[in-house]
Amino acid sequence: DQQVKQNSPSLSVQEGRISILNCDYTNSMFDYFLWYKKYPAEGPTFLISISSIKDKNEDGRFTVFLNKSAKHLSLHIVPSQPGDSAVYFCAASAISGNTDKLIFGTGTRLQVFP
Amino acid sequence: KAGVTQTPRYLIKTRGQQVTLSCSPISGHRSVSWYQQTPGQGLQFLFEYFSETQRNKGNFPGRFSGRQFSNSRSEMNVSTLELGDSALYLCASNRASGPPGELFFGEGSRLTVL
Repeated sequence: DQQVKQNSPSLSVQEGRISILNCDYTNSMFDYFLWYKKYPAEGPTFLISISSIKDKNEDGRFTVFLNKSAKHLSLHIVPSQPGDSAVYFCAASAISGNTDKLIFGTGTRLQVFP
Repeated sequence: KAGVTQTPRYLIKTRGQQVTLSCSPISGHRSVSWYQQTPGQGLQFLFEYFSETQRNKGNFPGRFSGRQFSNSRSEMNVSTLELGDSALYLCASNRASGPPGELFFGEGSRLTVL
């Protein structure tokens, strides 16, 4: 049972345009959501997070939106750059459980072309 | 500051063998988590250790085990290897004072089972 779903395995965007990566979750106990980026041959790196008490969090070119009623979150990258080409994983956690256990989606491969 | 170090980076085993993977967290990090990454499955949580105690465990068979030492270094062991155990095994550490879920991953140990 995939509790965190990324239904688009890949996305191709032109440099300078907006990239929108989507993620859906099923478990209403999740109260913290994160995005990680992974380059080949490297471990994932933390990108941005959002608590369930918020609906938006922004960090430079990256913005995460959370729609709790729809159990949906998205990552916006504006403007997209070739260096953003990587696999992006959405993750969720129930932080009230005092644990670092994250449930990850299957990832979306973003390619930003010139 | 050194990152999370995993050894070995690559290894090949045959079915029925066992394997031990090692992880040294970032200095000062006391929480260590292990994840398995396979194509199409994303990252799946194996277990989490804090101060030498297993704090959480994922849905993996008993062939998968782990431990943490007093210096926070961690090992995971997989016994009676199966072809399906071929994967990238990622270790992550977390600082207690950081944002929840912000994990620092190593580059992983890629296990191939023949």
